[in-house]
Amino acid sequence: GAVVSQHPSWVICKSGTSVKIECRSLDFQATTMFWYRQFPKQSLMLMATSNEGSKATYEQGVEKDKFLINHASLTLSTLTVTSAHPEDSSFYICSARDGREGSEQYFGPGTRLTVT
Amino acid sequence: GQNIDQPTEMTATEGAIVQINCTYQTSGFNGLFWYQQHAGEAPTFLSYNVLDGLEEKGRFSSFLSRSKGYSYLLLKELQMKDSASYLCAVLDSNYQLIWGAGTKLIIKP
Repeated sequence: GAVVSQHPSWVICKSGTSVKIECRSLDFQATTMFWYRQFPKQSLMLMATSNEGSKATYEQGVEKDKFLINHASLTLSTLTVTSAHPEDSSFYICSARDGREGSEQYFGPGTRLTVT
Repeated sequence: GQNIDQPTEMTATEGAIVQINCTYQTSGFNGLFWYQQHAGEAPTFLSYNVLDGLEEKGRFSSFLSRSKGYSYLLLKELQMKDSASYLCAVLDSNYQLIWGAGTKLIIKP
């Protein structure tokens, strides 16, 4: 089956620093990747959708200058949380979809970010 | 607006059967997904329905009625490892996934 990896699986950083999270599709080409955030006991919240080679589409209320997304290749997307604050502490999950619009999304294992 | 409703929490007994319902109101419909999510982990795919009817996959089955905007996930022969949150998600007309808040399923011995 399709596999999506994320790195790192967890990270602790100091307030004001930036953190980069990588999302890779290991055995398929992901034309579209999604970034989600999930706070404890809440459902997934879509942050942005990125298509390879183009700018990401951000959901309402998500600051594009704070959450930088790069989808430079068909197998890699990165999310950079800039000038992180404690309220950015959350579980960040990426998912990837191949070229078929109705196909399922394959989720990465998630990255737990703690900002101190 | 777009809306997906599912119960917040359900409790069932090991070995029993449980049905988790999901109702939706979305702008267009291109399929409905069920995902399982254990605490602290990412969701894993369970099923996809785009036509009316029942799809069976081992101990899990998923049903869809498009005219009623309704789906359910049926879990049989419950095991303790089935304790998790179950997320219902609908692909709308723009092929965006609209997520329900999830149903936390607690299995008791």
